[in-house]
Amino acid sequence: AQKITQTQPGMFVQEKEAVTLDCTYDTSDPSYGLFWYKQPSSGEMIFLIYQGSYDQQNATEGRYSLNFQKARKSANLVISASQLGDSAMYFCAMRERGTSYGKLTFGQGTILTVHP
Amino acid sequence: SAVISQKPSRDICQRGTSLTIQCQVDSQVTMMFWYRQQPGQSLTLIATANQGSEATYESGFVIDKFPISRPNLTFSTLTVSNMSPEDSSIYLCSALQQLNEKLFFGSGTQLSVL
Repeated sequence: AQKITQTQPGMFVQEKEAVTLDCTYDTSDPSYGLFWYKQPSSGEMIFLIYQGSYDQQNATEGRYSLNFQKARKSANLVISASQLGDSAMYFCAMRERGTSYGKLTFGQGTILTVHP
Repeated sequence: SAVISQKPSRDICQRGTSLTIQCQVDSQVTMMFWYRQQPGQSLTLIATANQGSEATYESGFVIDKFPISRPNLTFSTLTVSNMSPEDSSIYLCSALQQLNEKLFFGSGTQLSVL
């Protein structure tokens, strides 16, 4: 079974509108971390936001927020006020307890296109 | 967050040759890692680069094919040896500044093997 599932291969949004990118995960570990990264066409991976499984509040970083629903095992990324520069591939990833600090399991990604 | 510099940013190589990718971090980090992203795929961890000792490889990756060095806390290299077209990928260096959960990546090396 997939550990990280991103069901939206591609998403479109109008500039200045908000968009939600979906991510569901599968783990039996009570302790885990969830990440979102942005990958522009240049190939670099840009860290956006992190949510720990024991964090009481949803993580926020500027225009990015993570809608963490633990019981549903979902960690959706919300981008508010989309900008043209937000057009990129977005990856959701998870680190489970007991694995290397560097070992993340990535989803297949969602390509976001922001229209002017 | 640490600034992670990688070079080369891209290269086109001939089959059977080797390429060494360098990764420099601007501040001391506790752990460094190497990932591979094959075309159209997500990322897969190759290995953990250990300072002053042999890297720890993930299943499916071996030292003879991907030798890794980390002579100090802020620098690491990954060599892709005896390359074939199947090695065409983006290779990314990543680092943890401290055990604070967040993993940062370098700008990546886009490798094409002819």
